Amino acid sequence: AQTVTQSQPEMSVQEAETVTLSCTYDTSESDYYLFWYKQPPSRQMILVIRQEAYKQQNATENRFSVNFQKAAKSFSLKISDSQLGDAAMYFCAYRKLGNTGKLIFGQGTTLQVKP
Amino acid sequence: EAGVTQFPSHSVIEKGQTVTLRCDPISGHDNLYWYRRVMGKEIKFLLHFVKESKQDESGMPNNRFLAERTGGTYSTLKVQPAELEDSGVYFCASSPGVEQYFGPGTRLTVT
Repeated sequence: AQTVTQSQPEMSVQEAETVTLSCTYDTSESDYYLFWYKQPPSRQMILVIRQEAYKQQNATENRFSVNFQKAAKSFSLKISDSQLGDAAMYFCAYRKLGNTGKLIFGQGTTLQVKP
Repeated sequence: EAGVTQFPSHSVIEKGQTVTLRCDPISGHDNLYWYRRVMGKEIKFLLHFVKESKQDESGMPNNRFLAERTGGTYSTLKVQPAELEDSGVYFCASSPGVEQYFGPGTRLTVT
């Protein structure tokens, strides 16, 4: 069975600095999707970034980028130039390849941004 | 375009009572998912609808949980009778394909 692990329950970063959130996963599949979701306090979860395992290039969305290490089964999220609005719980998630399928989530990392 | 909506946002019931949660997906999304997060633990999959059919219900914890999706539109998740361990946040997500769009969740408290 696939599993996702986020080993950092809480992280903090100074505004304008860079922070990296860690995620590791376990799967026997060769192709799959990985996601980072963000859930701000009292608000709904939104997709931050997505990575297809068959793509070697790391995904980037503005200030958010990933470091995808397929052999190590590692998928970390880097947030550059952190802003107060980045404060949230971040979830790493895995999904099998295909057009549909359930997400398997990590435990989440709460990110605090200090002014 | 309206996002995924869920009702109620919060429900407090006593053990043994029945509660029905509702999810309205984004219009046109055939795929609808239910997830649950119990206190301090990871978000776990409950089930997946494709239109009105249950595609995968492997995450449903027991037969006290009943999910339906009328005409492939909105979905309901009924818990009957509720137990203390059912407390948590129930999320609904809809998807046209790869990406899933989440609702705000229903916080269920069973006392």
